[in-house]
Amino acid sequence: DGGITQSPKYLFRKEGQNVTLSCEQNLNHDAMYWYRQDPGQGLRLIYYSQIVNDFQKGDIAEGYSVSREKKESFPLTVTSAQKNPTAFYLCASSIFEGYEQYFGPGTRLTVT
Amino acid sequence: QKEVEQNSGPLSVPEGAIASLNCTYSDRGSQSFFWYRQYSGKSPELIMSIYSNGDKEDGRFTAQLNKASQYVSLLIRDSQPSDSATYLCAVSGGSNYKLTFGKGTLLTVNP
Repeated sequence: DGGITQSPKYLFRKEGQNVTLSCEQNLNHDAMYWYRQDPGQGLRLIYYSQIVNDFQKGDIAEGYSVSREKKESFPLTVTSAQKNPTAFYLCASSIFEGYEQYFGPGTRLTVT
Repeated sequence: QKEVEQNSGPLSVPEGAIASLNCTYSDRGSQSFFWYRQYSGKSPELIMSIYSNGDKEDGRFTAQLNKASQYVSLLIRDSQPSDSATYLCAVSGGSNYKLTFGKGTLLTVNP
């Protein structure tokens, strides 16, 4: 089955720790994206990547980092510099930038 | 900065009625328009894409696009309680190819 997987589904961390969220796709899509969603809020773009070994900051990149070493994978690291990391994190991919995006199931991160 | 506006709702309709969800966008050059459905606690799911003026029907869903008025809508016929969700409008093209999402409209279908 083609799709996007994110792991883990739920993640709990102590304040001050870095944490890496996994995103893998087998749709052969070039573009991948990370969004953050807070309760009752819309999607906010953190980082996106149009091709392997290239990525750009989105609207709220501060406190986050990414890598794109393989076409299939786009992991997101939430660093201790992120002031309010507790949120629902969504990974998406599209065949090219601007085309319809398909979302993974999301990772719910709680930092205490 | 491209903007996509949606009424946050909640929009409440009785079961069997037509639900009408609206979206306006600021970039006149936008070319691609999408509707996503997001159930509470879940990720968004693509339900409709539309690229040219007019109507596009898929089952109980109809997307309507009017580029002159910079307006796209989603009609859900014979609404069911299972349609209760937040509906996100997304737009791309024009000044850049990034997909810009609206904040979504919460739809509640009452049995």
